[in-house]
Amino acid sequence: AQRVTQPEKLLSVFKGAPVELKCNYSYSGSPELFWYVQYSRQRLQLLLRHISRESIKGFTADLNKGETSFHLKKPFAQEEDSAMYYCALKGSNYKLTFGKGTLLTVNP
Amino acid sequence: DAGVIQSPRHEVTEMGQEVTLRCKPISGHDYLFWYRQTMMRGLELLIYFNNNVPIDDSGMPEDRFSAKMPNASFSTLKIQPSEPRDSAVYFCASSFLARTGELFFGEGSRLTVL
Repeated sequence: AQRVTQPEKLLSVFKGAPVELKCNYSYSGSPELFWYVQYSRQRLQLLLRHISRESIKGFTADLNKGETSFHLKKPFAQEEDSAMYYCALKGSNYKLTFGKGTLLTVNP
Repeated sequence: DAGVIQSPRHEVTEMGQEVTLRCKPISGHDYLFWYRQTMMRGLELLIYFNNNVPIDDSGMPEDRFSAKMPNASFSTLKIQPSEPRDSAVYFCASSFLARTGELFFGEGSRLTVL
């Protein structure tokens, strides 16, 4: 079975502060991890994937297989980062399992 | 391309009524997914299709739910009879090959069952 846990339902930070959204997973095989984001009144969309090792909008995420984690980080949060963030895991069967999401609010 | 198109955007119905949600995937995509979003449970995968064939329907809550994909450009999710606990936002998403893991989501159908 594949499972994704996002322990924080809500996260509030001030503009310019660092932000870390936590994600832990459970999967017996070799997983692919993703972060999706849903801005207000917009569609859910892919933010980044671990295999690309990219930085998107200042966000990065590193897959830590030892800790089975894929935390999303940004050194300096911006107000426009306020959104719902979902961590997702894809197993070998192409099934994408999402965590319950974290609502990030960046205060001015 | 207009992306994944879902209809209706909002549906309010009474308990016991039949509800049909519709989805038009992006042309050329060969995977289609139906998800349900609630505050309590987040995004749950209900069922997904590959080349119009249902691959995994283990997330379908119960027999009241059914999904079909008669062709590559259309899918339906039906709830009969509907119950208040079915109230949620239902998302359809499509993907090409699904290997990349990038799903393209529709805007969702918000269902309220009174």
